[in-house]
Amino acid sequence: EAQVTQNPRYLITVTGKKLTVTCSQNMNHEYMSWYRQDPGLGLRQIYYSMNVEVTDKGDVPEGYKVSRKEKRNFPLILESPSPNQTSLYFCASSPRWGGDEQYFGPGTRLTVT
Amino acid sequence: GQQLNQSPQSMFIQEGEDVSMNCTSSSIFNTWLWYKQDPGEGPVLLIALYKAGELTSNGRLTAQFGITRKDSFLNISASIPSDVGIYFCAGYMNYGGSQGNLIFGKGTKLSVKP
Repeated sequence: EAQVTQNPRYLITVTGKKLTVTCSQNMNHEYMSWYRQDPGLGLRQIYYSMNVEVTDKGDVPEGYKVSRKEKRNFPLILESPSPNQTSLYFCASSPRWGGDEQYFGPGTRLTVT
Repeated sequence: GQQLNQSPQSMFIQEGEDVSMNCTSSSIFNTWLWYKQDPGEGPVLLIALYKAGELTSNGRLTAQFGITRKDSFLNISASIPSDVGIYFCAGYMNYGGSQGNLIFGKGTKLSVKP
């Protein structure tokens, strides 16, 4: 089944403790991205990647890192999480170079205390 | 930055009713997308539109790419209880082959009439 998977689905952590949220897609898509979804603010893009070793900032990149060493994986790294990073995170991938027509994963709900 | 105005913010539906929602922008887009999000899930792509004036259907859903390229409409005919959820529009624009951004509306929440 064609899909985008994320792990973990739920995570509660403490301020400053480094964490990684994994994202994997099995559709051979070149474009992948990360979003956060917050009430009243909608979906905002954090980082995106157009291909292996090619990443760029989205609208809200501060406090996040990403890497794209393989086509199928695009992990999101929070080196020192803070409470304002409590949010619902979505990974997405697109078969189209420009990143339109994106397909989303199931989400990771992160709480930072 | 670019913003999408999606309306209505919320609406109640009764089974069998037709539903309409729309998105407008101050900027033009060359792609419009409509997504649905169920509680606890990621957005699911419903319809993609690539040409001004295009009208595309997916079952009971019909979406149109506005002729001005600044708006899009989604209609749901004969609604059923499983239509409940949040619907998002998204617009995409790139310039001369450069990387573009997908901009999302704030969503329209569909609920069942009590």
